[in-house]
Amino acid sequence: SQTIHQWPATLVQPVGSPLSLECTVEGTSNPNLYWYRQAAGRGLQLLFYSVGIGQISSEVPQNLSASRPQDRQFILSSKKLLLSDSGFYLCAWSIPGDSPLHFGNGTRLTVT
Amino acid sequence: KQEVTQIPAALSVPEGENLVLNCSFTDSAIYNLQWFRQDPGKGLTSLLLIQSSQREQTSGRLNASLDKSSGRSTLYIAASQPGDSATYLCAVTGTASKLTFGTGTRLQVTL
Repeated sequence: SQTIHQWPATLVQPVGSPLSLECTVEGTSNPNLYWYRQAAGRGLQLLFYSVGIGQISSEVPQNLSASRPQDRQFILSSKKLLLSDSGFYLCAWSIPGDSPLHFGNGTRLTVT
Repeated sequence: KQEVTQIPAALSVPEGENLVLNCSFTDSAIYNLQWFRQDPGKGLTSLLLIQSSQREQTSGRLNASLDKSSGRSTLYIAASQPGDSATYLCAVTGTASKLTFGTGTRLQVTL
């Protein structure tokens, strides 16, 4: 069966520090991968999605970047965090085509 | 640009009641619609996926319907239980497999 791992679960970082959140998927090949952010009281905002290794699409201009160095690994990064980067970050995967989206347990990021 | 709206934003019902959650979307050119459940501080769990050619899907006490032409979906929960308390989100899939989410309905089922 397929599983998705996302870590860390919580993170507190000072403004200006770097960020690296990692997500891996097991049990499937060539998944579509996604990073979402959920701010308090707001809906989920798609940040990045990837349909293959090295293929990253950015949805909104922001302080973050994403990379997919391996088929089932998706990394969210920042060189210098802003206060506005605080939020709940969720990684997700799906099989290309008409299939459900499966989420990780999320990372709660607080930038102080 | 696709916009997804969920009404009501919050709902409290006594245990045992049947209830309906609503989702509407502005662009009917969708591939599918999904309903998710989110417990506090957790990720989302997929409940039901309705293909654009389907009218409804059922899983246990849950039934989701889709009227693509009018841009509406409903999630029906039968015989609600306290364990059903969570936030329920709907999302529509458009081009490039991208989902647009609603802001959710927070459901509380009381004893």
